[in-house]
Amino acid sequence: QQPVQSPQAVILREGEDAVINCSSSKALYSVHWYRQKHGEAPVFLMILLKGGEQKGHEKISASFNEKKQQSSLYLTASQLSYSGTYFCGTEPRFGNEKLTFGTGTRLTIIP
Amino acid sequence: GAVVSQHPSWVICKSGTSVKIECRSLDFQATTMFWYRQFPKQSLMLMATSNEGSKATYEQGVEKDKFLINHASLTLSTLTVTSAHPEDSSFYICSAREQDLRGREFLLNTEAFFGQGTRLTVV
Repeated sequence: QQPVQSPQAVILREGEDAVINCSSSKALYSVHWYRQKHGEAPVFLMILLKGGEQKGHEKISASFNEKKQQSSLYLTASQLSYSGTYFCGTEPRFGNEKLTFGTGTRLTIIP
Repeated sequence: GAVVSQHPSWVICKSGTSVKIECRSLDFQATTMFWYRQFPKQSLMLMATSNEGSKATYEQGVEKDKFLINHASLTLSTLTVTSAHPEDSSFYICSAREQDLRGREFLLNTEAFFGQGTRLTVV
Protein backbone atom coordinates (compact mmCIF):
# COMPACT_ATOMS: atom_id res chain seq x y z
CA GLN A 1 0.00 0.00 0.00
CA GLN A 2 1.47 3.32 -1.00
CA PRO A 3 2.20 6.08 1.50
CA VAL A 4 -0.32 8.89 1.67
CA GLN A 5 0.88 12.44 1.16
CA SER A 6 -0.82 15.63 2.23
CA PRO A 7 -1.76 18.04 0.95
CA GLN A 8 -2.51 16.76 -2.55
CA ALA A 9 -1.82 20.16 -4.03
CA VAL A 10 -0.76 23.57 -2.82
CA ILE A 11 -0.30 26.95 -4.43
CA LEU A 12 2.16 29.39 -2.89
CA ARG A 13 3.43 32.83 -3.66
CA GLU A 14 7.16 33.14 -4.09
CA GLY A 15 8.81 33.45 -0.70
CA GLU A 16 6.15 31.56 1.26
CA ASP A 17 6.77 28.34 3.18
CA ALA A 18 5.25 24.89 2.69
CA VAL A 19 5.13 21.60 4.53
CA ILE A 20 4.46 18.30 2.78
CA ASN A 21 3.66 15.24 4.84
CA CYS A 22 4.13 11.56 4.06
CA SER A 23 2.45 8.88 6.13
CA SER A 24 2.97 5.14 5.84
CA SER A 25 0.91 2.26 7.19
CA LYS A 26 4.06 0.14 7.41
CA ALA A 27 7.21 0.36 9.50
CA LEU A 28 9.94 2.20 7.65
CA TYR A 29 13.68 1.79 7.26
CA SER A 30 14.16 4.99 5.32
CA VAL A 31 12.35 7.78 3.55
CA HIS A 32 13.44 9.41 0.30
CA TRP A 33 12.16 12.66 -1.13
CA TYR A 34 12.03 13.45 -4.87
CA ARG A 35 10.76 16.29 -7.00
CA GLN A 36 9.40 15.71 -10.49
CA LYS A 37 8.80 18.32 -13.16
CA HIS A 38 6.15 17.62 -15.79
CA GLY A 39 7.33 15.05 -18.34
CA GLU A 40 10.66 14.51 -16.61
CA ALA A 41 12.17 11.91 -14.34
CA PRO A 42 12.12 12.44 -10.56
CA VAL A 43 15.10 14.25 -9.07
CA PHE A 44 16.53 13.21 -5.73
CA LEU A 45 16.30 15.65 -2.83
CA MET A 46 17.35 13.71 0.26
CA ILE A 47 17.26 10.46 2.23
CA LEU A 48 16.47 10.10 5.90
CA LEU A 49 17.59 6.91 7.55
CA LYS A 50 17.19 7.16 11.27
CA GLY A 51 14.17 7.77 13.39
CA GLY A 52 14.08 11.39 14.38
CA GLU A 53 16.66 12.35 11.79
CA GLN A 54 16.43 15.74 10.21
CA LYS A 55 18.29 16.87 7.15
CA GLY A 56 18.47 20.03 5.19
CA HIS A 57 19.88 21.53 2.06
CA GLU A 58 19.65 25.25 1.55
CA LYS A 59 15.99 26.04 2.10
CA ILE A 60 14.65 22.50 1.86
CA SER A 61 14.73 20.25 4.90
CA ALA A 62 12.99 17.13 6.12
CA SER A 63 12.28 15.14 9.23
CA PHE A 64 11.56 11.47 9.83
CA ASN A 65 9.53 10.19 12.75
CA GLU A 66 10.14 6.46 12.66
CA LYS A 67 7.73 5.77 15.49
CA LYS A 68 4.85 7.50 13.76
CA GLN A 69 5.92 6.16 10.36
CA GLN A 70 5.83 9.69 9.02
CA SER A 71 8.09 12.14 7.29
CA SER A 72 7.70 15.81 6.50
CA LEU A 73 9.38 17.98 3.88
CA TYR A 74 9.82 21.66 4.66
CA LEU A 75 10.31 24.27 1.95
CA THR A 76 11.11 27.74 3.20
CA ALA A 77 11.11 30.98 1.24
CA SER A 78 9.94 29.08 -1.81
CA GLN A 79 11.35 29.89 -5.22
CA LEU A 80 9.74 29.52 -8.64
CA SER A 81 12.07 26.59 -9.32
CA TYR A 82 10.46 24.66 -6.48
CA SER A 83 7.34 24.07 -8.55
CA GLY A 84 6.68 20.45 -9.37
CA THR A 85 5.26 17.31 -7.86
CA TYR A 86 6.92 16.00 -4.72
CA PHE A 87 7.00 12.32 -3.90
CA CYS A 88 8.18 10.53 -0.83
CA GLY A 89 9.64 7.09 -1.41
CA THR A 90 9.68 4.60 1.42
CA GLU A 91 11.67 1.50 2.18
CA PRO A 92 10.23 -1.04 4.59
CA ARG A 93 12.23 -2.18 7.57
CA PHE A 94 15.29 -4.38 7.07
CA GLY A 95 16.41 -2.75 3.88
CA ASN A 96 14.17 -4.19 1.22
CA GLU A 97 15.53 -2.17 -1.65
CA LYS A 98 12.23 -1.48 -3.38
CA LEU A 99 11.01 2.09 -3.12
CA THR A 100 7.28 2.61 -2.82
CA PHE A 101 6.30 6.11 -3.81
CA GLY A 102 3.67 8.19 -2.09
CA THR A 103 0.57 9.67 -3.66
CA GLY A 104 2.35 12.89 -4.53
CA THR A 105 1.92 16.60 -3.75
CA ARG A 106 1.70 19.11 -6.57
CA LEU A 107 3.34 22.39 -5.62
CA THR A 108 2.79 25.51 -7.70
CA ILE A 109 4.77 28.66 -6.97
CA ILE A 110 3.44 31.87 -8.41
CA PRO A 111 5.35 35.18 -8.63
CA GLY B 1 26.63 11.47 -9.64
CA ALA B 2 25.61 8.17 -11.13
CA VAL B 3 23.69 8.28 -14.39
CA VAL B 4 20.97 6.04 -15.71
CA SER B 5 20.13 6.34 -19.38
CA GLN B 6 16.80 5.24 -20.81
CA HIS B 7 15.96 4.89 -24.49
CA PRO B 8 13.84 5.81 -26.35
CA SER B 9 12.44 8.92 -24.69
CA TRP B 10 9.20 8.54 -26.60
CA VAL B 11 7.63 6.02 -28.94
CA ILE B 12 4.39 5.77 -30.84
CA CYS B 13 3.35 2.31 -31.96
CA LYS B 14 0.38 0.59 -33.48
CA SER B 15 -1.90 -1.56 -31.41
CA GLY B 16 -0.74 -5.18 -31.40
CA THR B 17 2.94 -4.48 -31.89
CA SER B 18 5.73 -4.82 -29.33
CA VAL B 19 7.97 -2.10 -27.99
CA LYS B 20 11.34 -2.47 -26.28
CA ILE B 21 12.65 0.06 -23.78
CA GLU B 22 16.28 0.02 -22.64
CA CYS B 23 17.69 1.14 -19.32
CA ARG B 24 21.44 1.45 -18.84
CA SER B 25 23.51 2.36 -15.82
CA LEU B 26 26.37 4.36 -17.31
CA ASP B 27 28.97 4.59 -14.57
CA PHE B 28 28.06 1.90 -12.09
CA GLN B 29 26.96 -1.69 -12.09
CA ALA B 30 23.50 -2.65 -11.00
CA THR B 31 22.44 -6.21 -10.36
CA THR B 32 18.97 -4.88 -9.67
CA MET B 33 16.96 -2.29 -11.55
CA PHE B 34 13.37 -1.22 -11.10
CA TRP B 35 10.66 -0.47 -13.64
CA TYR B 36 7.89 1.98 -12.84
CA ARG B 37 4.82 3.12 -14.72
CA GLN B 38 3.24 6.51 -14.26
CA PHE B 39 -0.14 7.60 -15.56
CA PRO B 40 -0.89 11.33 -15.96
CA LYS B 41 -1.11 13.17 -12.66
CA GLN B 42 -0.50 10.00 -10.71
CA SER B 43 2.33 8.53 -8.70
CA LEU B 44 5.04 6.14 -9.85
CA MET B 45 3.85 2.57 -9.50
CA LEU B 46 6.45 -0.16 -9.28
CA MET B 47 5.89 -2.79 -11.95
CA ALA B 48 8.78 -5.13 -11.42
CA THR B 49 12.27 -5.62 -10.07
CA SER B 50 14.76 -6.64 -12.72
CA ASN B 51 17.45 -9.04 -11.50
CA GLU B 52 20.67 -9.60 -13.43
CA GLY B 53 21.00 -13.23 -14.47
CA SER B 54 17.66 -14.33 -13.08
CA LYS B 55 13.94 -13.83 -13.50
CA ALA B 56 12.33 -10.52 -12.76
CA THR B 57 10.07 -10.14 -9.76
CA TYR B 58 6.70 -8.69 -10.69
CA GLU B 59 4.36 -6.71 -8.48
CA GLN B 60 0.89 -7.98 -7.89
CA GLY B 61 -1.41 -7.32 -10.82
CA VAL B 62 1.36 -6.86 -13.39
CA GLU B 63 1.21 -9.35 -16.26
CA LYS B 64 4.52 -11.14 -16.71
CA ASP B 65 3.78 -12.21 -20.26
CA LYS B 66 2.84 -8.72 -21.30
CA PHE B 67 5.75 -6.88 -19.75
CA LEU B 68 8.85 -8.92 -20.48
CA ILE B 69 11.95 -7.95 -18.57
CA ASN B 70 15.47 -9.03 -19.43
CA HIS B 71 18.52 -8.10 -17.38
CA ALA B 72 21.33 -9.67 -19.36
CA SER B 73 24.23 -7.66 -18.02
CA LEU B 74 25.21 -5.61 -14.99
CA THR B 75 24.46 -2.38 -16.83
CA LEU B 76 21.45 -3.12 -19.00
CA SER B 77 17.83 -4.00 -18.35
CA THR B 78 15.13 -4.03 -21.01
CA LEU B 79 11.37 -3.86 -20.76
CA THR B 80 9.35 -5.14 -23.69
CA VAL B 81 5.68 -4.28 -23.88
CA THR B 82 4.20 -7.08 -25.97
CA SER B 83 1.05 -6.82 -28.03
CA ALA B 84 0.61 -3.25 -26.92
CA HIS B 85 -2.87 -1.76 -26.57
CA PRO B 86 -3.98 1.83 -26.05
CA GLU B 87 -4.44 1.22 -22.31
CA ASP B 88 -0.69 0.49 -22.11
CA SER B 89 0.01 4.08 -23.08
CA SER B 90 1.90 5.58 -20.17
CA PHE B 91 5.20 7.01 -18.94
CA TYR B 92 7.63 4.20 -18.14
CA ILE B 93 10.66 4.94 -15.94
CA CYS B 94 13.51 2.76 -14.81
CA SER B 95 15.70 3.31 -11.80
CA ALA B 96 18.80 1.81 -10.23
CA ARG B 97 20.73 2.21 -7.02
CA GLU B 98 24.42 1.63 -6.46
CA GLN B 99 25.19 -1.65 -4.79
CA ASP B 100 27.95 -3.41 -2.96
CA LEU B 101 28.30 -6.25 -5.42
CA ARG B 102 30.32 -8.39 -3.06
CA GLY B 103 27.43 -8.79 -0.72
CA ARG B 104 24.72 -7.92 -3.27
CA GLU B 105 23.45 -5.43 -0.77
CA PHE B 106 22.52 -1.88 -1.39
CA LEU B 107 24.90 0.72 -0.08
CA LEU B 108 23.52 2.79 2.71
CA ASN B 109 22.45 6.32 1.97
CA THR B 110 22.03 5.63 -1.73
CA GLU B 111 19.49 7.49 -3.76
CA ALA B 112 17.58 5.96 -6.64
CA PHE B 113 18.81 7.24 -10.00
CA PHE B 114 16.15 7.46 -12.66
CA GLY B 115 16.28 7.19 -16.38
CA GLN B 116 14.76 9.98 -18.44
CA GLY B 117 11.54 8.01 -18.89
CA THR B 118 9.81 6.74 -22.01
CA ARG B 119 6.48 8.12 -23.14
CA LEU B 120 4.66 5.26 -24.84
CA THR B 121 1.64 6.03 -26.99
CA VAL B 122 -0.25 3.12 -28.54
CA VAL B 123 -2.58 4.07 -31.37
